Amino acid sequence: SQQGEEDPQALSIQEGENATMNCSYKTSINNLQWYRQNSGRGLVHLILIRSNEREKHSGRLRVTLDTSKKSSSLLITASRAADTASYFCASISGSARQLTFGSGTQLTVLP
Amino acid sequence: DSGVTQTPKHLITATGQRVTLRCSPRSGDLSVYWYQQSLDQGLQFLIQYYNGEERAKGNILERFSAQQFPDLHSELNLSSLELGDSALYFCASSDLGHSTDTQYFGPGTRLTVL
Repeated sequence: SQQGEEDPQALSIQEGENATMNCSYKTSINNLQWYRQNSGRGLVHLILIRSNEREKHSGRLRVTLDTSKKSSSLLITASRAADTASYFCASISGSARQLTFGSGTQLTVLP
Repeated sequence: DSGVTQTPKHLITATGQRVTLRCSPRSGDLSVYWYQQSLDQGLQFLIQYYNGEERAKGNILERFSAQQFPDLHSELNLSSLELGDSALYFCASSDLGHSTDTQYFGPGTRLTVL
């Protein structure tokens, strides 16, 4: 079963705008990761944030984690058409080593 | 390119049949994970192997089985296939199989059961 929900399910923005996606999860986590999936293709790892971290940056990506609210957000700044994809959060909890994925956000960046 | 390879890319078969999906992990990675992605269930973890041994089990049906060979490649066997088994099957690999590892995903095998 999926760990959490992502919000919004779909997001459509203009090139150059920022895109924010949110993820909520249900149980305590060790870390939370964000992945991108282009249509029908493999998942690409974007960024990992540990449970003791609150914010992390990687290029145009900014991830925040609020363990008290069991939520995370992914911000993509200055979006490009090539950012069009589905974005998934995935968490690892307890002694588990496998990822539990959220339902994903479909991002469309219009040129 | 993640360095993880999966074959075949596409597989079309009939109900009741058996298929084998193959995964080669990134060079040096000891752990392999299998995931299923379907429209109704989303992305679900099936099973993990580490250095040839089963490490964790998720929502894997009894009709499905997997193994990891001495050269670290892995195979996922799906038998008595049903229409609902149609999905994308992903393999991922990581270094040591720790919870802090980054998992690298292969391009997937799209299985269609007719």
